[in-house]
Amino acid sequence: DQQVKQNSPSLSVQEGRISILNCDYTNSMFDYFLWYKKYPAEGPTFLISISSIKDKNEDGRFTVFLNKSAKHLSLHIVPSQPGDSAVYFCAASVGTGANNLFFGTGTRLTVIP
Amino acid sequence: DAGVIQSPRHEVTEMGQEVTLRCKPISGHNSLFWYRQTMMRGLELLIYFNNNVPIDDSGMPEDRFSAKMPNASFSTLKIQPSEPRDSAVYFCASSFSYGNSPLHFGNGTRLTVT
Repeated sequence: DQQVKQNSPSLSVQEGRISILNCDYTNSMFDYFLWYKKYPAEGPTFLISISSIKDKNEDGRFTVFLNKSAKHLSLHIVPSQPGDSAVYFCAASVGTGANNLFFGTGTRLTVIP
Repeated sequence: DAGVIQSPRHEVTEMGQEVTLRCKPISGHNSLFWYRQTMMRGLELLIYFNNNVPIDDSGMPEDRFSAKMPNASFSTLKIQPSEPRDSAVYFCASSFSYGNSPLHFGNGTRLTVT
């Protein structure tokens, strides 16, 4: 049973526009959330994280929003660039330890030049 | 920093054969993880080691799967005998075991069992 769900397998966005990737979770005990980015033939790389004590965390063009009551988080990329085309994985854990991370199935983002 | 190194990059084998996947973690990292990626389930944790000791292997699908970490710089994931449903991309990752140290993934091994 997937505790972290990414219901959109793919998303296409024009260069310069905003990309919004969504993630839902079922376990109310999760208190740490991460996004990983994966290019073809490479492993996922850490992108951004947020603790449940915050509702927003920003790093350059990337912002993660957390809505605890809805058990929902989203990743906003503004402006989107062709180099952002990748698969994005949402992950969640209880505590910050890497040993109990639950990943979603990923969303493939394509940024059209 | 060479990152997490996995070998082979691709493995094609016939059902029933033994498969061994290899991983060299980042030097200094004391936690090592084996994940499997499939379209249906995304990234699933198979097993993780802390200071070379297996801590949680509850994600290992069945007894056909085994993992070892004989020292801090090497780990193997073995499937014996392999089955077509084992076809997937297998990732090794390492991290520090404290704080919010993120996982560092290798480039994966794509396994195809025919």
